[in-house]
Amino acid sequence: DGGITQSPKYLFRKEGQNVTLSCEQNLNHDAMYWYRQDPGQGLRLIYYSQIVNDFQKGDIAEGYSVSREKKESFPLTVTSAQKNPTAFYLCASSGRDRGIIVFGQGTRLTVV
Amino acid sequence: GQNIDQPTEMTATEGAIVQINCTYQTSGFNGLFWYQQHAGEAPTFLSYNVLDGLEEKGRFSSFLSRSKGYSYLLLKELQMKDSASYLCALTTSGTYKYIFGTGTRLKVLA
Repeated sequence: DGGITQSPKYLFRKEGQNVTLSCEQNLNHDAMYWYRQDPGQGLRLIYYSQIVNDFQKGDIAEGYSVSREKKESFPLTVTSAQKNPTAFYLCASSGRDRGIIVFGQGTRLTVV
Repeated sequence: GQNIDQPTEMTATEGAIVQINCTYQTSGFNGLFWYQQHAGEAPTFLSYNVLDGLEEKGRFSSFLSRSKGYSYLLLKELQMKDSASYLCALTTSGTYKYIFGTGTRLKVLA
């Protein structure tokens, strides 16, 4: 079955460390996205990528970095410059027709 | 830019009907989506409107009026498992961005 895999589901890191969240899709979707969700809040767009080797900043890109070397993969690095990194991170993808956006299961990052 | 407004919370009784509204301001509207999100889980797709009118899918229906910048999600025969957040999202022409509202937390009471 096609889908999006995020790993790990739970991640703990010490303050000041960079951490990379994995996202892989086998839906053959062109576009991929990273969203952040804080408790009781909506989804805020961090970065998105429409094609391989290209990506754009979303609304809250500061302190994050991404790469898109393969169509299937869109890893997100949370750097030490991100002031409040503890959150639920959701990866998603969509086809070229900008129809339904499909989400991975999410990664809950806790920085202590 | 884009702006999406939804009520923060709603409460309804099991077996009843509830309507969750979403208003938006945007230029170059492309499509409007509704997603369901249970606590601690990822959003799952419910409904998608591109043209004005009603889209029905079992117990869930979604309505769109592009001229009014307005959509609603209608849930019939409410069940306890419908307690969740409901997210309204839109896409605009010329971009692959999906913009989400803050969501409406629905509590279904027995």
